[in-house]
Amino acid sequence: GQNIDQPTEMTATEGAIVQINCTYQTSGFNGLFWYQQHAGEAPTFLSYNVLDGLEEKGRFSSFLSRSKGYSYLLLKELQMKDSASYLCAGMDSNYQLIWGAGTKLIIKP
Amino acid sequence: IAGITQAPTSQILAAGRRMTLRCTQDMRHNAMYWYRQDLGLGLRLIHYSNTAGTTGKGEVPDGYSVSRANTDDFPLTLASAVPSQTSVYFCASTPDSDTGELFFGEGSRLTVL
Repeated sequence: GQNIDQPTEMTATEGAIVQINCTYQTSGFNGLFWYQQHAGEAPTFLSYNVLDGLEEKGRFSSFLSRSKGYSYLLLKELQMKDSASYLCAGMDSNYQLIWGAGTKLIIKP
Repeated sequence: IAGITQAPTSQILAAGRRMTLRCTQDMRHNAMYWYRQDLGLGLRLIHYSNTAGTTGKGEVPDGYSVSRANTDDFPLTLASAVPSQTSVYFCASTPDSDTGELFFGEGSRLTVL
């Protein structure tokens, strides 16, 4: 079956770095996506990886290892506004997104 | 402002009633989707449309129907609502079905009593 696993909740300190891990099993693979969702709001796109390696975009970076079925989202210089849920999603061979349940990130001052 | 609009934002509905959630986008995206989001679960795909005039079933289609008469509109209908359909519903669109960068509407919170 298809499955996305990520931690339910993480806590980090303002100004620090946090890494949110995601493991995936999909029927075929057409990319790994990360979305941010603030409480009560819609998800918004953060990043896309289809090749192995690190993609950096400002304070956020995303890493992919296809051989390990593994990705992580790295958030640097954490700000209070980064408190949100982070959704990992894998795209299967039919171009359907398979979503994880999300990781709730709590930032403490 | 370009984007994707859902209505209503919130609704309380008696079980057995018919309900249509509206979704309109002005980005001329080909692909549109309806998801439901429940606490502790990932987004689950209800129905999708890769292009105007076509629709397909997602992971949890039972009790729901959709239509795609034109590019902009993708309404979701609950023919006879049941309490298990209490959820937050998100409509999303993307330029093409092989693109995973989805643009989401603000969501419709539906409570079925």
